[in-house]
Amino acid sequence: DVKVTQSSRYLVKRTGEKVFLECVQDMDHENMFWYRQDPGLGLRLIYFSYDVKMKEKGDIPEGYSVSREKKERFSLILESASTNQTSMYLCASLSGKSYEQYFGPGTRLTVT
Amino acid sequence: RKEVEQDPGPFNVPEGATVAFNCTYSNSASQSFFWYRQDCRKEPKLLMSVYSSGNEDGRFTAQLNRASQYISLLIRDSKLSDSATYLCVVAPQPRGYNKLIFGAGTRLAVHP
Repeated sequence: DVKVTQSSRYLVKRTGEKVFLECVQDMDHENMFWYRQDPGLGLRLIYFSYDVKMKEKGDIPEGYSVSREKKERFSLILESASTNQTSMYLCASLSGKSYEQYFGPGTRLTVT
Repeated sequence: RKEVEQDPGPFNVPEGATVAFNCTYSNSASQSFFWYRQDCRKEPKLLMSVYSSGNEDGRFTAQLNRASQYISLLIRDSKLSDSATYLCVVAPQPRGYNKLIFGAGTRLAVHP
């Protein structure tokens, strides 16, 4: 069974802290994504990676960076967390043979 | 105008009812279309792709109207378990995995 896991379901951080969100997939997919989901706005792409060490900015990359050192792992880093980064963060992977994205369970991040 | 628009709902329907949602998109060159389902506090999962000729999967029928730039999802004989948010997803170009546009979702609540 296809699986995408995320390191935390809930996270509370203080303004200015560095935050790491980790995502692991076991499907050998080339493509991985980080989205944030906010009420009324839908999912918005933060970063996309199409291979190890390869990344592309999405629609809202400001304040975020990513790392993909291994095919199965894609990390999202908030260099200095701010309250406007309070959101649900969803990781996804996709094989490239179809458009079907497999999502992780999400991390609800609160920045106080 | 948003690139992908959905009525947020909620659509409150009794069990056994037929319900339909529409999703409009602004880019006439859009290539591929999908419906995802997201249960409360869970991740989105692919429900079905939408083909030009329309397609059916059990109680669910998806249709595409390119002339009017919308896709629809029809659910017949609604079940309590159909209660969820339905996300419309549009791919504006071939192999544009990092260009998928998600609607904000339509919430469906099926009651006994």
